[in-house]
Amino acid sequence: EDQVTQSPEALRLQEGESSSLNCSYTVSGLRGLFWYRQDPGKGPEFLFTLYSAGEEKEKERLKATLTKKESFLHITAPKPEDSATYLCAVQSTGRRALTFGSGTRLQVQP
Amino acid sequence: EAGVAQSPRYKIIEKRQSVAFWCNPISGHATLYWYQQILGQGPKLLIQFQNNGVVDDSQLPKDRFSAERLKGVDSTLKIQPAKLEDSAVYLCASSLDPTGYGYTFGSGTRLTVV
Repeated sequence: EDQVTQSPEALRLQEGESSSLNCSYTVSGLRGLFWYRQDPGKGPEFLFTLYSAGEEKEKERLKATLTKKESFLHITAPKPEDSATYLCAVQSTGRRALTFGSGTRLQVQP
Repeated sequence: EAGVAQSPRYKIIEKRQSVAFWCNPISGHATLYWYQQILGQGPKLLIQFQNNGVVDDSQLPKDRFSAERLKGVDSTLKIQPAKLEDSAVYLCASSLDPTGYGYTFGSGTRLTVV
C-alpha cells in the first residue's frame, strides 16, 4: 500500500526565513511525485511533478527535489502570500489515482 | 481554459438524509476522480472514472456512496444515508489521460452533517 508522510505538520516562518518541507514516501513503483498548494476553502493547486531521483524543479521561491525515499520542498525567502497548506502526493505505476500526505501548514509572518 | 466546476459549494444536512454533488471536468479530460478530504487530512480517493467506466472504487463505501458519470462528461456523487463522519470536503479532479497528465482539482463541496 502506498504511503506518504509529511513533516512538519505546521511551520511558522518569518518573512525571508528560508526552510524546507519534507515528504517521505513508500510506493511499489513510482510513476510521479506531486506537490500541491492548498489555500483555505479551495482545491489543491498544482505546483510540480517529479518523476525520478535526482530531479529538481523550480517555480519562483519554491524548489522541489526528489530522492528514492523522499522529496523536499525548499522555500527561499518566503513572503506572507506563500502561507498555505502544501500537499505531497505519489502516483504509483500500478494505480493512477494519487495518494496524499496530510500536508504541512505553512504560515509566513511579515 | 475553464477549470473543474463543482456544485454546490456548501451543503448542510441532517444525518440519515441524502445529498448529491455535481462535477463538470475540464473539456476533453477523459479521467475523473472524486476525493474526500476530512479536515486536517490530505484528500483520499473515493472513485476514479475513465470515460464513463469505473477504474477504481476500492475505497468507496458502497453501502452508502454511489457515483455515476453518464456520457463520459459530468459526474454526480451521492450519499444516502449520510452519517456524521461524512462531514468533509468532496473534491472532484480530472486529468487528460489515466497517467494523470494535467491533473486539476475543483474547489470542492463542503458537506456538514449534523
